[in-house]
Amino acid sequence: GAGVSQSPSNKVTEKGKDVELRCDPISGHTALYWYRQSLGQGLEFLIYFQGNSAPDKSGLPSDRFSAERTGGSVSTLTIQRTQQEDSAVYLCASRYQSSGANVLTFGAGSRLTVL
Amino acid sequence: DAKTTQPPSMDCAEGRAANLPCNHSTISGNEYVYWYRQIHSQGPQYIIHGLKNNETNEMASLIITEDRKSSTLILPHATLRDTAVYYCIVRVVGGGNTPLVFGKGTRLSVIA
Repeated sequence: GAGVSQSPSNKVTEKGKDVELRCDPISGHTALYWYRQSLGQGLEFLIYFQGNSAPDKSGLPSDRFSAERTGGSVSTLTIQRTQQEDSAVYLCASRYQSSGANVLTFGAGSRLTVL
Repeated sequence: DAKTTQPPSMDCAEGRAANLPCNHSTISGNEYVYWYRQIHSQGPQYIIHGLKNNETNEMASLIITEDRKSSTLILPHATLRDTAVYYCIVRVVGGGNTPLVFGKGTRLSVIA
């Protein structure tokens, strides 16, 4: 597609429920990133995928968070047993690896509210 | 990646040039300066990047000092739509497998 697409745009869930957030990167972009942004805060890196390499999971805040990227394209971020502190905007970005430059294209984000 | 320092906030009158400074005194020879911005309720947007020469595109100009220890992003004719948080990031090209780190940035308010 023309841009990075994320769904849902808004998700309200109850504490303890599992949620899945989806990211469709730009076609042909091999690098994919997940960040989150809590209200009034900066961007916090979560996880990074590059081609067939093992993902960089160093930013995941707990083992309740996981992500996968199927077929080198679509990615799903899963949060199990959600907590109120998980409330944030979850942003996905993709990059055309061969360009070399760190030009990331971000989606509009998925706003998660945990009640 | 080298650390950057930006003022937390700035105001600019609509139609005037907005000059956003960034200090990166520990920048290495192979590190580029990148600028992104984030408009309220949107994801960050790439603006421009450069190594040592001044750069210009349809969005902005980037002026890098000769010693490369600081730079200025210039929005030549700021509009209300340019109100956003602007992030200055220093990074080697490619950067290996480590992600871009966004600091706190400068909150630019364009005033009518």
